[in-house]
Amino acid sequence: QQQVKQSPQSLIVQKGGISIINCAYENTAFDYFPWYQQFPGKGPALLIAIRPDVSEKKEGRFTISFNKSAKQFSLHIMDSQPGDSATYFCAASMQGSYIPTFGRGTSLIVHP
Amino acid sequence: DGGITQSPKYLFRKEGQNVTLSCEQNLNHDAMYWYRQDPGQGLRLIYYSQIVNDFQKGDIAEGYSVSREKKESFPLTVTSAQKNPTAFYLCASSLGQASETQYFGPGTRLLVL
Repeated sequence: QQQVKQSPQSLIVQKGGISIINCAYENTAFDYFPWYQQFPGKGPALLIAIRPDVSEKKEGRFTISFNKSAKQFSLHIMDSQPGDSATYFCAASMQGSYIPTFGRGTSLIVHP
Repeated sequence: DGGITQSPKYLFRKEGQNVTLSCEQNLNHDAMYWYRQDPGQGLRLIYYSQIVNDFQKGDIAEGYSVSREKKESFPLTVTSAQKNPTAFYLCASSLGQASETQYFGPGTRLLVL
């Protein structure tokens, strides 16, 4: 019930391509879905987040697509750049809980 | 600058030794967290604290201890009972129950000599 399944585990994309990372959840009480970006040797930082009242949120080259009926959400990175090479974590949380549930992470490498 | 600081950046532990990782935040956040990160295993919750003088075990609390005597500080002790302590340790904070975004520190890498 509390799992968030993230795929793929690793992803290699050419510069200028589209990177897509997917997450699926089971608990329909989740109402906040953030994505975190982590560079090697650093702590994760919030990249973009969405709530289930919208199906898509875009910030620059980063877009979250949310499918409430399928209980899935995904991160799209348009025009991927070598500087986007990092580990990306999806997460889900709900009102009344202090504890987010994290996916296992996706290691993205963007080749120049 | 507001944020979370962790020290030291690298820490070496000898067999049978307890070591303490520091975490300080000046964001005026109520909730603080400790996570352990191992390659391919994502973020695993060790302990969390909702308010001062209160803390709860996470998924992998065995071999660890914490205290929360001040709002801005949440130190983690890795005890000798933790047989496999080599990992990247991340401290995080959030406003509290009403806010779900977590703000992470830069991490401490613990290595066993």
